[in-house]
Amino acid sequence: GNSVTQMEGPVTLSEEAFLTINCTYTATGYPSLFWYVQYPGEGLQLLLKATKADDKGSNKGFEATYRKETTSFHLEKGSVQVSDSAVYFCALSPSTGGGNKLTFGTGTQLKVEL
Amino acid sequence: DAGVIQSPRHEVTEMGQEVTLRCKPISGHDYLFWYRQTMMRGLELLIYFNNNVPIDDSGMPEDRFSAKMPNASFSTLKIQPSEPRDSAVYFCASSRDSVAFYEQYFGPGTRLTVT
Repeated sequence: GNSVTQMEGPVTLSEEAFLTINCTYTATGYPSLFWYVQYPGEGLQLLLKATKADDKGSNKGFEATYRKETTSFHLEKGSVQVSDSAVYFCALSPSTGGGNKLTFGTGTQLKVEL
Repeated sequence: DAGVIQSPRHEVTEMGQEVTLRCKPISGHDYLFWYRQTMMRGLELLIYFNNNVPIDDSGMPEDRFSAKMPNASFSTLKIQPSEPRDSAVYFCASSRDSVAFYEQYFGPGTRLTVT
């Protein structure tokens, strides 16, 4: 079945540091890939997405590239801010005929300190 | 525009009691989802609706759980009777249409504690 594996947190960084949160997936066919973010006390919100191999999703300074050869979708940001402190979830949607459920990773908590 | 609205935000109840969680999706969205989030199991899809009709309830844990969507702007998730293992954060989410099915907008969640 489909699965998503994320690096364990919490990840603690100083402001302006470079961020990488690793995500790898297992799926049949060609899923779409997503990063969702959950700020404290709020629901998840879509951060970025990529629908096919080599696509790069980007939003708010965050980027992730769909790498089919390594089955990865790592999240990166060049310079994090305190306001980026949140839990980040990698997710995939099944390819055609694989059902209608998003498969989420377990989430990675990011803490950014001054 | 208002996002997905959920109530209550927090609920504490005793084992055996009935619990009703409420959700108002974003206006114009065709799909509504109910998720449960726990430390042990992460984020799980319980059920989703399309145009008020339940499409997939395979994630509903057992008969104690039921969900309804009487109209396009309101849905409930009911647990009767509640048990301590139901303690979790329950999220409602909505998405616009089949093209944006996976671009889901989540509410702030209801934190349920069953003692």
